[in-house]
Amino acid sequence: GAVVSQHPSWVICKSGTSVKIECRSLDFQATTMFWYRQFPKQSLMLMATSNEGSKATYEQGVEKDKFLINHASLTLSTLTVTSAHPEDSSFYICSASNRGGTYEQYFGPGTRLTVT
Amino acid sequence: QQQVKQSPQSLIVQKGGISIINCAYENTAFDYFPWYQQFPGKGPALLIAIRPDVSEKKEGRFTISFNKSAKQFSLHIMDSQPGDSATYFCAARYSGNTPLVFGKGTRLSVIA
Repeated sequence: GAVVSQHPSWVICKSGTSVKIECRSLDFQATTMFWYRQFPKQSLMLMATSNEGSKATYEQGVEKDKFLINHASLTLSTLTVTSAHPEDSSFYICSASNRGGTYEQYFGPGTRLTVT
Repeated sequence: QQQVKQSPQSLIVQKGGISIINCAYENTAFDYFPWYQQFPGKGPALLIAIRPDVSEKKEGRFTISFNKSAKQFSLHIMDSQPGDSATYFCAARYSGNTPLVFGKGTRLSVIA
């Protein structure tokens, strides 16, 4: 149980375009989803916390107008990278926290974004 | 300020040996300490986790040792196997539905 999926698993886009990444909890309801970014050989850095039905909370230094997060349901959160630039190329990983009280976080498989 | 410090950065262990990775934390308000394993191109997977009211937790070949007074915790992998070669991250979290704070990771290589 506790499976989190991400789509797409990888994407290549041109500079200036927007890309949407989906994060789904497949077998549990997630009141909270977290979005992380990971550069090669580095740790995971929290970008934002997404709560169902409310605005996301962004970490310091993360542009909310550039990284749009929508958490429309208890099983789906989306991250849209707007006007992507090569420096946005990274591995984006979401995690979903279960509703049941332990707040265990289950991670998705990640999305590799390459901006050319 | 790095809230969770992890060492070593990389580790090479012989097959069958014990791999030990250490972490230290700053904030005594943290109350949940998980370890994650990550293979290249994949998301992290939870290995084992501990809360500060317990000094040790064992699951199969993986053991967490927790020293609350020293604000340190460590992961021990017994009988290390080549399939254990991955990057390991320690993390910490406040109580409730809060985000994880990760260490910088340890790249483990288990050689035959």
